[in-house]
Amino acid sequence: DAGVTQSPTHLIKTRGQHVTLRCSPISGHKSVSWYQQVLGQGPQFIFQYYEKEERGRGNFPDRFSARQFPNYSSELNVNALLLGDSALYLCASSLREDNEQFFGPGTRLTVL
Amino acid sequence: GDSVTQMEGPVTLSEEAFLTINCTYTATGYPSLFWYVQYPGEGLQLLLKATKADDKGSNKGFEATYRKETTSFHLEKGSVQVSDSAVYFCALSDGWQAGTALIFGKGTTLSVSS
Repeated sequence: DAGVTQSPTHLIKTRGQHVTLRCSPISGHKSVSWYQQVLGQGPQFIFQYYEKEERGRGNFPDRFSARQFPNYSSELNVNALLLGDSALYLCASSLREDNEQFFGPGTRLTVL
Repeated sequence: GDSVTQMEGPVTLSEEAFLTINCTYTATGYPSLFWYVQYPGEGLQLLLKATKADDKGSNKGFEATYRKETTSFHLEKGSVQVSDSAVYFCALSDGWQAGTALIFGKGTTLSVSS
């Protein structure tokens, strides 16, 4: 079975631009969570979605938004990119919101 | 708020040496505790977990015991291999199993040489 997939693998943007990252959960999983991992740090929670509804939000500015589609895939959007947004963005899926989370390989975002 | 503190790395060991990576936590409730491993170029993999005090999680020769009295969840392995070289993250969650938000430590890099 395929694991969590994320696209693109790498992305380079400039300050002020907008970016959309995509995540496909494991088949049958209905919850998706997003994390930001800055180089040398542990992942930080951004959002959790379950059955297309937001179930949790971390301490990130409103420039960060997300949504979950009827097929349970998800998008993370970041507006007005800053240099500090450069990071590895990880997506994790789980059967429900209270189950073990399985992580994808991440999208490496570089903001110049 | 809740937080996780783990020992600074890198940790450099020879093959077959004993490994300990310290992890302590701060939480208002009764969290579940986890160790995740991240191999180069890959995502996070759950290594082991414990959901209540005195539980011992174990997997692939790694062990960690949930110590409520010392708020600790130290990772140990009796004999490390070169293939264990990776970054190890301690994490907690207030949800059941690994649900809701995971709060991670900063990670400890382990390098094992033959």
